[in-house]
Amino acid sequence: SQTIHQWPATLVQPVGSPLSLECTVEGTSNPNLYWYRQAAGRGLQLLFYSVGIGQISSEVPQNLSASRPQDRQFILSSKKLLLSDSGFYLCAWQLAGGPQETQYFGPGTRLLVL
Amino acid sequence: AQTVTQSQPEMSVQEAETVTLSCTYDTSESDYYLFWYKQPPSRQMILVIRQEAYKQQNATENRFSVNFQKAAKSFSLKISDSQLGDAAMYFCAYSSGGGADGLTFGKGTHLIIQP
Repeated sequence: SQTIHQWPATLVQPVGSPLSLECTVEGTSNPNLYWYRQAAGRGLQLLFYSVGIGQISSEVPQNLSASRPQDRQFILSSKKLLLSDSGFYLCAWQLAGGPQETQYFGPGTRLLVL
Repeated sequence: AQTVTQSQPEMSVQEAETVTLSCTYDTSESDYYLFWYKQPPSRQMILVIRQEAYKQQNATENRFSVNFQKAAKSFSLKISDSQLGDAAMYFCAYSSGGGADGLTFGKGTHLIIQP
């Protein structure tokens, strides 16, 4: 069965510091991968998605970036964090070409920028 | 652009009773997918149920069922025999399908189960 991991689970960072959040998927090949952000009391906002190694699409302009160095690894980064980057970050995977378009989510990372 | 609207920020139901959560969406597509996700206090998003727009039959998963009204662009979730473990945020989500686009989410409904 497929499993999705995210780390760290919680992160407290000062403004202006760099960021690296990691997501890995097990049990499937060539998945579509997604990064979402959830601000307090809000729904999820799609940040990036990837259909393959090195292929990244950005949905929202911001100071965040994403990379996919391996088939089942998706990384969210920032060179300098802003206060507004605080939130809950969720990674999701979807079976590429799957008929039901279902996305499955990881446990998430809580980021607090001070 | 597609939008998803959940007009009930919070709902409360007595344990063992039935509750319906509302969701409407806006799209110009004819084929798409709709989902309900549950987010408990742990905050992990858990798939509850999904519906393909080309299917007229409403999806059902044990105590969870949907009322899909394509013409009205309405997709409500009914939870029967509510249990304490059903307490969570519930999000309605839309996917245009046929590609790798992400999901469009509503703002969520906080469901409270009264013992």
